[in-house]
Amino acid sequence: GDSVTQMEGPVTLSEEAFLTINCTYTATGYPSLFWYVQYPGEGLQLLLKATKADDKGSNKGFEATYRKETTSFHLEKGSVQVSDSAVYFCALTRNTGGFKTIFGAGTRLFVKA
Amino acid sequence: GAGVSQSPSNKVTEKGKDVELRCDPISGHTALYWYRQSLGQGLEFLIYFQGNSAPDKSGLPSDRFSAERTGGSVSTLTIQRTQQEDSAVYLCASSSGGTSGGGYNEQFFGPGTRLTVL
Repeated sequence: GDSVTQMEGPVTLSEEAFLTINCTYTATGYPSLFWYVQYPGEGLQLLLKATKADDKGSNKGFEATYRKETTSFHLEKGSVQVSDSAVYFCALTRNTGGFKTIFGAGTRLFVKA
Repeated sequence: GAGVSQSPSNKVTEKGKDVELRCDPISGHTALYWYRQSLGQGLEFLIYFQGNSAPDKSGLPSDRFSAERTGGSVSTLTIQRTQQEDSAVYLCASSSGGTSGGGYNEQFFGPGTRLTVL
């Protein structure tokens, strides 16, 4: 079945460090890929998305590229801020046969000042 | 409001009692999802509705769990004979996902219902 695997946390970085959170997936067909973020005390919200191979999603300085050849959708940011501290979830949604969404386990990021 | 709402925000119940959790999706959204988030865990898919139908119930943990959606809008998740392991945050999300392939299917999440079973 479909699945999403993302790196375990927590990830602890200093402010202005480079961030990579790895995400790989297994799916039939051509799913859409997403990163969602959950800030402390808040609900889940969409961070960025990509709907086809080689698409790059970007938002708030974060980027992720849909790599079909490696079935990956790694999240990157060049310079993290304390306010980026949150839990990040990688997810996929099938585009056929329904719209079930599979989430990864989440990666908690702590950014120190 | 314009977002997804859930009620109650918190529910404390005794083991063995039944509970009902409610979700009001964004108006016009045809797709509705229920997830469970246990402490320190990721999101566990429970069930998905397209309109009033549930094409995928594969995530429901046991026959104590059921859900329905009426009028293509409000959904209710019912847990019968609650157990302590049912304690979690239950999240609802809605999207404008259609019935044909199209790719983009952003989900908008509600604030969740925190269920505690004593």
